[in-house]
Amino acid sequence: KAGVTQTPRYLIKTRGQQVTLSCSPISGHRSVSWYQQTPGQGLQFLFEYFSETQRNKGNFPGRFSGRQFSNSRSEMNVSTLELGDSALYLCASSPRDSSTDTQYFGPGTRLTVL
Amino acid sequence: ILNVEQSPQSLHVQEGDSTNFTCSFPSSNFYALHWYRWETAKSPEALFVMTLNGDEKKKGRISATLNTKEGYSYLYIKGSQPEDSATYLCAPNYGGATNKLIFGTGTLLAVQP
Repeated sequence: KAGVTQTPRYLIKTRGQQVTLSCSPISGHRSVSWYQQTPGQGLQFLFEYFSETQRNKGNFPGRFSGRQFSNSRSEMNVSTLELGDSALYLCASSPRDSSTDTQYFGPGTRLTVL
Repeated sequence: ILNVEQSPQSLHVQEGDSTNFTCSFPSSNFYALHWYRWETAKSPEALFVMTLNGDEKKKGRISATLNTKEGYSYLYIKGSQPEDSATYLCAPNYGGATNKLIFGTGTLLAVQP
């Protein structure tokens, strides 16, 4: 089975722009979660989607949004980019919305905001 | 805000040494603990998912134990090898029907040949 894929792998944007990141889960997985990794904060939970519904949202401003499509692929959008949004964005997929399911991570999208 | 602590922050050992790390987490409403290994330039790789108090899991030279009552888990690596060099992350989960993980800041392990 192919693993979790994320596109693009690298992005450079300027302040005020918006960006859309994409995540394709492992085939058959219906849950996708997003995390932000910064040097100072570690891995922080952004959102969780299951069957096209947002199940959980982390403590991030409304500029961060996401969605999931019927084929379980997910996108996240960040509007009005700030310097502090520079980070590695990881998505993870799992078969169900269960605390005991192993989550499989993608390689991440490295976003740099100038 | 849930605080997940990992210690030590970093560890340098020689090839062949055995080592262990600690993960401390709030025990209230705990459902499961996930351990990950994250090598530089790669994706985090799942090691274990643990749920029961007293649970012990093993994968090759790596093993982990769980104490849900006091809120801690130990990860052990026996006979460390250079390829074990990575950041080891623990992440508890506090809801049954959710994949939301609260990650600790990790333990960076460097194994010198």
